[in-house]
Amino acid sequence: NAGVTQTPKFQVLKTGQSMTLQCAQDMNHEYMSWYRQDPGMGLRLIHYSVGAGITDQGEVPNGYNVSRSTTEDFPLRLLSAAPSQTSVYFCASSYSPQGIEYFGPGTRLTVT
Amino acid sequence: KQEVTQIPAALSVPEGENLVLNCSFTDSAIYNLQWFRQDPGKGLTSLLLIQSSQREQTSGRLNASLDKSSGRSTLYIAASQPGDSATYLCAVKGNRGSTLGRLYFGRGTQLTVWP
Repeated sequence: NAGVTQTPKFQVLKTGQSMTLQCAQDMNHEYMSWYRQDPGMGLRLIHYSVGAGITDQGEVPNGYNVSRSTTEDFPLRLLSAAPSQTSVYFCASSYSPQGIEYFGPGTRLTVT
Repeated sequence: KQEVTQIPAALSVPEGENLVLNCSFTDSAIYNLQWFRQDPGKGLTSLLLIQSSQREQTSGRLNASLDKSSGRSTLYIAASQPGDSATYLCAVKGNRGSTLGRLYFGRGTQLTVWP
């Protein structure tokens, strides 16, 4: 049982490039989320999903896109990277709203 | 909108002390409150989860309490050790309207325990 996995661990992008951050969980969790963590700002919700085919926006969704075609995977797409998207990105999952939230190890993204 | 505040922002104590970390939230419509630990450059590790109907949870040297009506939680760490040094984050999960199923975080308390 690997829990929540994220790839890559580190990434450097140039402004304007696009990329996809991968997130997968093997716990059969319906609820999955993406957060970004910035110094002095704490963790903020980008997008979340309550099941395959269902996604919704969080607090800071601009510049990011998500889809959920399977229960296991929840990729986050940066459409056109900007320096303001330099951050650490965490994926999380839970079995239900009342359940423990499990976090992945994070992806550290730098946009130059 | 749900807002979560943690006090103090930083704490430095000698080994062996008993500690209290505080968390407050503005909207009592929550499913639960979760305390996490984060080591530098690492992900979040869940320490304790308190459902909205519960008053406290314990795990080893950690005890967390919840007073939903006043919007407060405390994390009590007994007999602190240098290995407890980390950032402790508090988060609440909303249970209605636009907050439904969303996790709201405080900015954390950075704890240093010196030998």
